[in-house]
Amino acid sequence: QKEVEQDPGPLSVPEGAIVSLNCTYSNSAFQYFMWYRQYSRKGPELLMYTYSSGNKEDGRFTAQVDKSSKYISLFIRDSQPSDSATYLCAMSVYYGNNRLAFGKGNQVVVIP
Amino acid sequence: EPEVTQTPSHQVTQMGQEVILRCVPISNHLYFYWYRQILGQKVEFLVSFYNNEISEKSEIFDDQFSVERPDGSNFTLKIRSTKLEDSAMYFCASMRVGQPQHFGDGTRLSIL
Repeated sequence: QKEVEQDPGPLSVPEGAIVSLNCTYSNSAFQYFMWYRQYSRKGPELLMYTYSSGNKEDGRFTAQVDKSSKYISLFIRDSQPSDSATYLCAMSVYYGNNRLAFGKGNQVVVIP
Repeated sequence: EPEVTQTPSHQVTQMGQEVILRCVPISNHLYFYWYRQILGQKVEFLVSFYNNEISEKSEIFDDQFSVERPDGSNFTLKIRSTKLEDSAMYFCASMRVGQPQHFGDGTRLSIL
């Protein structure tokens, strides 16, 4: 089983819709969960950062972590064309100096 | 906002040649990383570096790879004898204790 799985299928939504993205993982030692946004020809840009299980909200973005199910989600409310990008989930075991394990990324297109 | 800077943005090299990819991490960060992303695949961890030594490396980071912090600002990745399969985007990241990793925009390495 792959360490982090993210269905890479492109997702097209109309402007204003809710975008729902998710990842599953196999390593129960992961404790720190991140969502990065990546525009074409750019590096990953940190969107959300959560520790352990629970929800975190930042503006139009909500991140959820369910460690019991090894499942994390990102919701984007009132999606805008500028949200069109690839969204990568990433996770790590330790708080400090530790490698990130990434999902493959979801390409999201928000249609005006 | 401070950012991680990578040069060059695109490097074209003949197979078998040495290549050095350069990164200037965010100035008060102490942890440094290299990742790579082969076209269509996940971002993969290569190596982490702290206190002038390698903290962790992946199985990808074999004897052909080395990292160095030659001065107080630069962090480099050297590939000694490049192979076709080294063609990828290479991302540098840096981190302060207790914070997530911040990424540069990458160097696209093309091996001919």
